[in-house]
Amino acid sequence: QSALTQPASVSGSPGQSITISCTGTSSDVGYYDYVSWYQQHPGKAPKLMIYEVSNRPSGVSYRFSGSKSGNTASLAISGLQAEDEADYYCSSYTSSTLNVFGTGTKVTVL
Amino acid sequence: QVQLQESGPGLVKPSETLSLTCAVSGYSISSNYYWGWIRQPPGKGLEWIGSIYHSGSTYYNPSLKSRLTISVDTSKNQFSLRLSSVTTADTAVYYCARVRVAATVGFDYWGQGTLVTVSS
Repeated sequence: QSALTQPASVSGSPGQSITISCTGTSSDVGYYDYVSWYQQHPGKAPKLMIYEVSNRPSGVSYRFSGSKSGNTASLAISGLQAEDEADYYCSSYTSSTLNVFGTGTKVTVL
Repeated sequence: QVQLQESGPGLVKPSETLSLTCAVSGYSISSNYYWGWIRQPPGKGLEWIGSIYHSGSTYYNPSLKSRLTISVDTSKNQFSLRLSSVTTADTAVYYCARVRVAATVGFDYWGQGTLVTVSS
C-alpha cells in the first residue's frame, strides 16, 4: 500500500484561499468516505481538522473544509492566516492495510 | 477533557522489544471508541501502527503485525504497545490517540508523543 499523494508544498498570502489535494486509488479514497485531514505544527502532535471527508470536529475553524471527487480528496483553507502555516496530512481507510496516510504538504503563508 | 500521555524508555537496543504505555485521563477507555498508536520517524510522515477496543479487539498494520502486540488494561484506564525485534527503522516519535472513525482512521485526541531511538 503506497502513501496517498499530496503536493510537497503549497503557499499563499494572508487572506487568500488555498487547496491541498490528496490522491489515492479506488481501494481507498475513491471507495470509502473515511478521509481525514490533520494539521501538524513543528514539534507538536497532529490535530484532526476534518473527518469523514467533510466533517469538522468541534472547535475547528469554518475556514477549513473538505471534499472528495473520485480518487482525490481536497482540503481547502480560506482566509489564510499566519497560524495556518504547518504541515498537513490526509488519511484514508483502505481495504488492504486499514489505514494509509498521505505524504504530507507544507503550507507556507507568505 | 480527554488527555493521553505516552510513557516508556526513550532508548531501545536493536533486536530488543520496544514497550510503551498510554495513560488516558478525563475519559473512560471502556467507552465506545477504539484507541490507537501512530508513529512518525524524524522528519518523515505518519504511519498507523494499530488500534484496540476495550474488549481487547485489535487491528494491526499488516507491515508490523508479526512483531506487534497491543493490549488494554481497563482497570488502569490505559493501553500498551509492544514491538519486538526492533531495528533503527523503528526510531520515531510514537503517539497514542483516540480513534473517532472506523477503528483505524480519524484520530481526534492525541498524546504529546514520545521519541524512541533504536541504537546500540
